[in-house]
Formats: sequence, structure tokens, C-alpha cells
Amino acid sequence: DQQVKQNSPSLSVQEGRISILNCDYTNSMFDYFLWYKKYPAEGPTFLISISSIKDKNEDGRFTVFLNKSAKHLSLHIVPSQPGDSAVYFCAASARGGSQGNLIFGKGTKLSVKP
Amino acid sequence: DGGITQSPKYLFRKEGQNVTLSCEQNLNHDAMYWYRQDPGQGLRLIYYSQIVNDFQKGDIAEGYSVSREKKESFPLTVTSAQKNPTAFYLCASSIWGTGNYEQYFGPGTRLTVT
Repeated sequence: DQQVKQNSPSLSVQEGRISILNCDYTNSMFDYFLWYKKYPAEGPTFLISISSIKDKNEDGRFTVFLNKSAKHLSLHIVPSQPGDSAVYFCAASARGGSQGNLIFGKGTKLSVKP
Repeated sequence: DGGITQSPKYLFRKEGQNVTLSCEQNLNHDAMYWYRQDPGQGLRLIYYSQIVNDFQKGDIAEGYSVSREKKESFPLTVTSAQKNPTAFYLCASSIWGTGNYEQYFGPGTRLTVT
């Protein structure tokens, strides 16, 4: 059973426009959420995170929104740039028995066209 | 430069042979992790270690073994018992504590078993 779901395998956006990547989760014990960016044959790079006590966190062009009641989070990239083209993974953690153990979604491949 | 190194980047083995993947970090992180990524899939946790000489199984530990003799090093052995060893293997590390801490990833090792 997938606890973290990224239902869109791919997303194509024009340069300069907004990219919105979505993530849903089922485990109500998750209280920390992260987004990673990954290029082919490289390790994921941490982008931004959000704690469950917040509903928004912003870092430059990247903003993550959390809707706990809907068990949904999204990553907004504004404006999108060609260098943003990569696979984006959503991850979640439930501190407690497995502190530090991240559960990853399957990823969304973002293509930003010039 | 602080970071995580994995070697080699590409590894080829014959079926039935054990193979050990290296992971070293100089971030002074307590916790280290091994993940596996298959095409179109998210990252799945194999093993993790919170402190030296201690480690726990992740979601897919069968056919793998680890050791944590030094804080900086967390090698992964893919044994002949692993039924589908061909994959991209990622090592990560993080602070371990009561706060929220992101995991930092190495560049990965692509293992091909024929």
C-alpha cells in the first residue's frame, strides 16, 4: 500500500510559467514533508521541507503548501526555468518509532520548455 | 568540501557473486541510510543506522547486509540471495534527533548483475 502518492508521472510547463507538483499521503502520523529534485544517474538533492505545524513554506522560487485535512501537499515553482527539468520526489516522515525514516513517492518528471 | 561519496559509480557483477558498495560521509552525521531505486519507482529503504555498531532493517532488507564500524562509513553488501539486484543504489545521511532533519544523498552506484 503506497503511503505517499504522486499521481502525475510527468508534467510539461513553459519557461516562465508556474509548475505545480502534487503529492498525497495516507498516513495521518506523517508530520514532516520534503521535496527532492533528482537528475538522471545522480543522487536526489534536497529542495524544501515543511512541518505539519505549518501550511506554507517558501524558499526563493519554491513554495510548498500543506493541507493536512486533505492529506495533500504541493510544490510550486515560479517562474519555471529549463534547469528545473528533473524528477521531483515527495517524501514524508513520522517521527516516533522510525525517526528519520523517509517514505518516498514515485516521482514526477518535470519538463520545462524554453 | 563536506558531502557523501559513493564508489564506484558503475559496478558490474556476475550472478551468484556478493558485491559491496561503499558509502562515506564527512558531514559528522549520526544516521546513515541505504535506498534502492528502480525505474519508475520511488526510493525504497534497505537499511539504516542511527549510531555506530547498530542498524535496522528497512522495507526491503532481504538479500542485503550492512555494517557500521565507523561513524563515517556504512557499506552495503548485495548478496547472492538478492533476487533482483540490478538497480540504482543511493546512500544518505542525516542528523538524528528530536527535530526535523533532511537527508543528504550521495551520487549513487548503478549495479548491474548479469
